Amino acid sequence: AQSVTQLDSQVPVFEEAPVELRCNYSSSVSVYLFWYVQYPNQGLQLLLKYLSGSTLVKGINGFEAEFNKSQTSFHLRKPSVHISDTAEYFCAVSNTNAGKSTFGDGTTLTVKP
Amino acid sequence: DAEITQSPRHKITETGRQVTLACHQTWNHNNMFWYRQDLGHGLRLIHYSYGVHDTNKGEVSDGYSVSRSNTEDLPLTLESAASSQTSVYFCASSESSGRSEAFFGQGTRLTVV
Repeated sequence: AQSVTQLDSQVPVFEEAPVELRCNYSSSVSVYLFWYVQYPNQGLQLLLKYLSGSTLVKGINGFEAEFNKSQTSFHLRKPSVHISDTAEYFCAVSNTNAGKSTFGDGTTLTVKP
Repeated sequence: DAEITQSPRHKITETGRQVTLACHQTWNHNNMFWYRQDLGHGLRLIHYSYGVHDTNKGEVSDGYSVSRSNTEDLPLTLESAASSQTSVYFCASSESSGRSEAFFGQGTRLTVV
């Protein structure tokens, strides 16, 4: 079995400040990790994913995430946020070949002017 | 462009009625999923399918059913709608691999009165 814990349900931050959204996972086997973003009244879309190789993964809109196997974490970061980054962010893990992911409960990022 | 569409986008129904939510994808993906999204619970998996005539129960499958007669469609049926099933429902599809991200529809907001 696998599980995902997003450590912060809400993260308020001022525009142009850095932000980190935290994600821990548990799994007894190797995993693939994903971050998705959901803008208001829309479906989820992929920000970035870790499959193998370099532990630092770069995604769209200036976001990046670092895979840390020893700490079973996959935290999402952005050095300078914009108002338009206000959204819900979901961390997800998959450890099978079939493609079923387990999602965290989400983190609401609110960027204030 | 390939896409995944859900219909209707909004629906109000009465307790006890049967309701079917449609999901259609043109990605030619084998995997399809139905999730519900509620405040404080993130995304919870209802049912999923790994191919035609294959269906599997997720973590919150009671009161829901699906059938997969072709690659493109996975309709979700609420046999007898209950107020507890008021939620936003998302359909997603992916390739047959844990390495593949999911592509989400825009969601269906269902209200059971």
